[in-house]
Amino acid sequence: EVQLVETGGGLIQPGGSLRLSCAASGFAVNTNYMTWVRQAPGKGLEWVSVIHSGGSTYYADSVKGRFTISRDDSKNTLYLQMNSLRAEDTAVYYCARGVRGSGSYDWGQGTLVTVSS
Amino acid sequence: DIQLTQSPSFLSASVGDRVTFTCRASQGISSYLVWYQQKPGKAPKLLIYAASTLQSGVPSRFSGSGSGTEFTLTISSLQPEDFATYYCQQVNSYPITFGQGTRLEIK
Repeated sequence: EVQLVETGGGLIQPGGSLRLSCAASGFAVNTNYMTWVRQAPGKGLEWVSVIHSGGSTYYADSVKGRFTISRDDSKNTLYLQMNSLRAEDTAVYYCARGVRGSGSYDWGQGTLVTVSS
Repeated sequence: DIQLTQSPSFLSASVGDRVTFTCRASQGISSYLVWYQQKPGKAPKLLIYAASTLQSGVPSRFSGSGSGTEFTLTISSLQPEDFATYYCQQVNSYPITFGQGTRLEIK
């Protein structure tokens, strides 16, 4: 059974750093197209970042230079390193598996990140 | 960046109704358009990809059409479980973008 479990969310002060993890089971992260999507409270979906199976990475303009997507093949886990956090980064962060050009069909339950002093 | 505009933003309908949502792209995206359904407190669920291909397990009352800059999602006969928010997403080019969503509520 495919499962994605996000952890690492919490309350963090502006300017701080946080690393989100997405533990996958039932498939190999390194052979899939993996994305992070976030949703601010009461707002719509915002695409954050993607890592292709070949290792190429792409980012939303709003997080470029502050967030880094990566994976650990030995742990079958996807990560999102978030630095220089801002209040506007407050959101539920979802990891998802998909196909390039066809969207994301497996999603985790999400982890809440709150950036506040 | 490619902007997606969904209309309407809010729709009130009854069980059994046929409803159609629209998603317009600021530039041509061929058929690289995906539709999701999201219920409160839950992750999005992929309904349709490549503008008109039904994801496995999704009921056939859902259908999608369009190419280029204008796309539609139609639910042929609303069921109680269909009341949710619907998002379109362009997967043609980076950065990938979502529409702002259409909230479908029971009349």
